[in-house]
This record gives sequence, structure tokens and C-alpha cells, in this order.
Amino acid sequence: NAGVTQTPKFQVLKTGQSMTLQCAQDMNHNSMYWYRQDPGMGLRLIYYSASEGTTDKGEVPNGYNVSRLNKREFSLRLESAAPSQTSVYFCASSDGQGLDEKLFFGSGTQLSVL
Amino acid sequence: SQQGEEDPQALSIQEGENATMNCSYKTSINNLQWYRQNSGRGLVHLILIRSNEREKHSGRLRVTLDTSKKSSSLLITASRAADTASYFCATQIQGAQKLVFGQGTRLTINP
Repeated sequence: NAGVTQTPKFQVLKTGQSMTLQCAQDMNHNSMYWYRQDPGMGLRLIYYSASEGTTDKGEVPNGYNVSRLNKREFSLRLESAAPSQTSVYFCASSDGQGLDEKLFFGSGTQLSVL
Repeated sequence: SQQGEEDPQALSIQEGENATMNCSYKTSINNLQWYRQNSGRGLVHLILIRSNEREKHSGRLRVTLDTSKKSSSLLITASRAADTASYFCATQIQGAQKLVFGQGTRLTINP
């Protein structure tokens, strides 16, 4: 099993450009998440999708949009990238049963905005 | 502000020694989890302890939870070079599904 797959692994953008980070999971999980990781800040939740057809804001949603395309795929879009969005982005999934949610992570996307 | 805060931020020990990391949190939780992150990789789930549990073991890992102090510790016994990684605690807050992560402890095992 591939688990959680993220693309691309690396990306460099100029300020104002847009891009979409893709995430897919093959574990039949209901819930999916997008986190960003910055030095000294740990992981912060951007958006999550508890189940297909629903999305909710996390701790730091400003400047981002998400789409839960189907049960497998959850994409993160930066409409107009800013240097403050330079970060490592992680997608994760869980079975979504509510209790004892254990997350399975992708390998991350390192994004630089110049 | 972060729900979980970890201490120390960095820890360096000799191979074979035990490593202890601590996590404190602020609100009532359903469970607390520990994850490991190797350099340049995603996080990997290590162990989960529920709010009604006090101690849990998994191989060389021992986790304790004190809900009265809102704190947890992760003990790695007989450390190995391969244990070099960052370790994060994460809490599932009561009434919520999502996890909130701490800032992590960077562990270095010296051969």
C-alpha cells in the first residue's frame, strides 16, 4: 500500500502565483487533513475534511482553500502565494470514527515562495 | 496558542541511555498520542494513551499520562542511533476529532 501520497515534493513559487497541492490516500479513510510545519511552531492545522463532502477550517486557514474531490483525494490551493506561506505542508488521513483518531502522514511538500 | 508544549526542545544522549521527553497540555482530552518524524519525512504514529489510562508500553517505549497535571512523558529505553528523530505529542481534545500537535523534541543519539 502506498498510504498517503503527496505531490509535488518540492515547489518554488513567486509571490502572487497560484498552485494546488495534491493528496491521495488508499486506506479508505474517511477523514483527511492539511498541516503546515514551520521551525519552532510544530504542526498547525490548516483545513480538514471529516468525511467526503465536508470541509472545515483549522487553526491557520487564511490564504488557503481546499477541495475534497472524493473519498481518496483532498487538495490544498494557494490562490495568491505569499512569502509567509513558505513552509513544509503535510497531508494526513485517519479512519474518522471519532475516538482514538490516529493519523497517517504523507512525506510532505516543501514550498518556497520568493 | 499551542495546546501541547514539549520539553526539552532538544536532547542529546549516548547510545544505550534512556531518553525522556515531556508534554504538557491545557484542556481536557480524549487521548494523547506520540509521533516520530525522521529528517525530511512525514510523521509516524508511535503510541496512543487514553485519558483513563495512566501508563502504556510498546516495545522500548513507555508513555505515562497524568490528567491532573495535564502532562505526559515518553520514555525510550536503551536508545539506538536509529531513534534519532523529532518526537511530537498530539492531543485529541474532548468533543473534537482533530489532533493538536506540540512543537516537538529533537532527539539525537550519539554512537
